[in-house]
Amino acid sequence: QKEVEQNSGPLSVPEGAIASLNCTYSDRVSQSFFWYRQYSGKSPELIMSIYSNGDKEDGRFTAQLNKASQYVSLLIRDSQPSDSATYLCAVNLRDGNKLVFGAGTILRVKS
Amino acid sequence: NAGVMQNPRHLVRRRGQEARLRCSPMKGHSHVYWYRQLPEEGLKFMVYLQKENIIDESGMPKERFSAEFPKEGPSILRIQQVVRGDSAAYFCASSPNQGGSGAEAFFGQGTRLTVV
Repeated sequence: QKEVEQNSGPLSVPEGAIASLNCTYSDRVSQSFFWYRQYSGKSPELIMSIYSNGDKEDGRFTAQLNKASQYVSLLIRDSQPSDSATYLCAVNLRDGNKLVFGAGTILRVKS
Repeated sequence: NAGVMQNPRHLVRRRGQEARLRCSPMKGHSHVYWYRQLPEEGLKFMVYLQKENIIDESGMPKERFSAEFPKEGPSILRIQQVVRGDSAAYFCASSPNQGGSGAEAFFGQGTRLTVV
């Protein structure tokens, strides 16, 4: 089992729709969870962090965490073509040892 | 406040040469991660370091690769006797702390290594 798993996609959504990106992780001890966005040829950019169960909202982004199910998701409301990128889920395993990334989900927002 | 600085941005080496990649973390950050990314693939963890300590090197190949983060100066990822399979983008990230909210890691622009 991979430490952090994501559906590779591509996930295609029309402009203005909600994009839902999902991630599962294997280590129950993990306490810190992050979403990064990476445009082709660029470095990853941190867009959301979440540490406790429930929802965390920041602008058009909402991160959701369910530690019992070892599941974290990212919702993007009112998706824009500029949101088209690869979204990487990252988990700080063992709450401090190493930050491990999923393979990423490609999101395509069609205008 | 400068971000994470990596240099060089692009590096070309012939097979058998050595590659040295440098990473200066953000001011106030004492934790550094190195990742490798092949085209169309995800970020592969290589090593996690704090000042003068290697905390986790479980992702480092056993041979030819080494990393350090000295008390003074940047973190260095060193690849000896490079082979074509080492061609990739190498990213460095830094964070102020480990665990919790201090674990937010910020990335440099990466070094694109090409082995010819």
